[in-house]
Amino acid sequence: GAVVSQHPSWVICKSGTSVKIECRSLDFQATTMFWYRQFPKQSLMLMATSNEGSKATYEQGVEKDKFLINHASLTLSTLTVTSAHPEDSSFYICSAKGRGGPRNEQFFGPGTRLTVL
Amino acid sequence: DAKTTQPPSMDCAEGRAANLPCNHSTISGNEYVYWYRQIHSQGPQYIIHGLKNNETNEMASLIITEDRKSSTLILPHATLRDTAVYYCIVKMNTGFQKLVFGTGTRLLVSP
Repeated sequence: GAVVSQHPSWVICKSGTSVKIECRSLDFQATTMFWYRQFPKQSLMLMATSNEGSKATYEQGVEKDKFLINHASLTLSTLTVTSAHPEDSSFYICSAKGRGGPRNEQFFGPGTRLTVL
Repeated sequence: DAKTTQPPSMDCAEGRAANLPCNHSTISGNEYVYWYRQIHSQGPQYIIHGLKNNETNEMASLIITEDRKSSTLILPHATLRDTAVYYCIVKMNTGFQKLVFGTGTRLLVSP
């Protein structure tokens, strides 16, 4: 149980285009979802926190107009990287948290590797 | 959230116990100690967490000192698949529960 999936697992795009990454909780309802970014040989950095049906809360230094987050349902959150540039190339990881019980912990997706040419 | 200090790397022989230390001297009374690990190019995996009592599950044991200023994650019989970066995180078990990842300990299990 507590499975979180991400799609796609990897994506290559041209500079200036937008890329959407999906995060799904497969067997539980995720009241809160988190988006992280990880550059090579570095730790995970939290980008934003989103609750179902409300606007995401972004960490300091993260551009909300560039990284659009939508948490439209209790099982799906999307991260759209708009007008991507090579410096946005990174490993993007989501996590999901349920409501109470074992699902109260954060469970992570497998990550999406974005390469911007 | 309180910060943690972990050694950057550790080695362990396959089949032996791996003991990963973590210092969290500024931990507050309502903060828990969480351990996650990240195998290369994968998302982090939850291992275990505790408040003040020692905890054990199918993956590992967590030993927390009486003053709660440090803890040790124990993998009783390390395998090659346990090679990963292990993160010790302290946080309150309320609210949005943000996980703040430090640099972790890179554990290398060798044959």
